[in-house]
Amino acid sequence: NAGVTQTPKFQVLKTGQSMTLQCAQDMNHEYMSWYRQDPGMGLRLIHYSVGAGITDQGEVPNGYNVSRSTTEDFPLRLLSAAPSQTSVYFCASSRTVGAGGMMNTQYFGPGTRLTVL
Amino acid sequence: KNEVEQSPQNLTAQEGEFITINCSYSVGISALHWLQQHPGGGIVSLFMLSSGKKKHGRLIATINIQEKHSSLHITASHPRDSAVYICAVPPPYGGSQGNLIFGKGTKLSVKP
Repeated sequence: NAGVTQTPKFQVLKTGQSMTLQCAQDMNHEYMSWYRQDPGMGLRLIHYSVGAGITDQGEVPNGYNVSRSTTEDFPLRLLSAAPSQTSVYFCASSRTVGAGGMMNTQYFGPGTRLTVL
Repeated sequence: KNEVEQSPQNLTAQEGEFITINCSYSVGISALHWLQQHPGGGIVSLFMLSSGKKKHGRLIATINIQEKHSSLHITASHPRDSAVYICAVPPPYGGSQGNLIFGKGTKLSVKP
């Protein structure tokens, strides 16, 4: 199993450009999520999905779009990049949330380091 | 919102030392997670625990649900243990189920 894969590993954008960060998992996990990690701050949830066709916003969704057309893929789209979106982005997946909302073990991708000039 | 506080923020140890990293949270939870972020950036899950203690090799995680506190211990530390250790908890009841709230991490450096 490849686990969770992310592309690209590095990206530099100019303000106003759009792009898509790719995320795929081969573990048949229903739950997938996108986080951003900024210096001095914990990982923050951008968007998540509990299954194909179902997505929802996290803590910091503004400026990002997601879709989940298949179980395997969960791309993150930056509509019009801004310098405030300079960050490291992590995709994660897990089996369905358990009873009482208990999160199962999350598996993380290697991350995408994005710089917006 | 569940607030997660980790201490210390930074920790330097000599090889072989016993290490303790602490995590406190503000709202009752069903389970707590400990993760490790390698210097290269990759994140792996170490433990998920809801009570008592779990052990994996030289790593031991404990949790006290009543006191809303968890500790991660590393016995006989080694330079390869150098990493950022992150504590995470689910949101309180009614929050986005299945999402985690992360602490800022504890950066551990083990010197040979």
